[in-house]
Amino acid sequence: SQQGEEDPQALSIQEGENATMNCSYKTSINNLQWYRQNSGRGLVHLILIRSNEREKHSGRLRVTLDTSKKSSSLLITASRAADTASYFCATDGSGGYQKVTFGIGTKLQVIP
Amino acid sequence: GAGVSQTPSNKVTEKGKYVELRCDPISGHTALYWYRQSLGQGPEFLIYFQGTGAADDSGLPNDRFFAVRPEGSVSTLKIQRTERGDSAVYLCASSLQAGNGYEQYFGPGTRLTVT
Repeated sequence: SQQGEEDPQALSIQEGENATMNCSYKTSINNLQWYRQNSGRGLVHLILIRSNEREKHSGRLRVTLDTSKKSSSLLITASRAADTASYFCATDGSGGYQKVTFGIGTKLQVIP
Repeated sequence: GAGVSQTPSNKVTEKGKYVELRCDPISGHTALYWYRQSLGQGPEFLIYFQGTGAADDSGLPNDRFFAVRPEGSVSTLKIQRTERGDSAVYLCASSLQAGNGYEQYFGPGTRLTVT
């Protein structure tokens, strides 16, 4: 079963614009991670945010986490054509081990 | 250094046949994970190893699926009596240690097609 649900499921923007993707989840978590997947390159880990953190930055990426709403957002600023990919949020449970549950993903297309 | 590798990259088999999918984790990573990804979906957890033992196999869909990691490094996912519904990309990942917050590094996957 998939715990996370990304929104929107598909997003198309012009190069240079910002892209925002949201993720909602159902049960308590320890960490939430965002991954990128583009064809031929597999899943790549982007950023991890812990349940006691509210915001985290990495380069052009900004992730927020609201545990009271069980939601997270991923913002990509100044998008590039190379950002075209599917983006997944993944959560691990509070049970103390690393069984990660992925959402269904947001398919981002950045038009040059 | 070398990342996670998976072989074969593609496997086509007939319904009812047996298949083995191999995963070579990053050297020194003690935790290894198998996921299955169907078209348009996110990866679904199958099984996770800590060292040689399966710490959690709750994601295996039925007893036709089995995985081993006899020496705590390479892992093999075995599927008996394959069915068309088993067609998917099978992903392997490894992490330095088990436990919350350790990044998982994914391999490129094996695309399994059951005809």
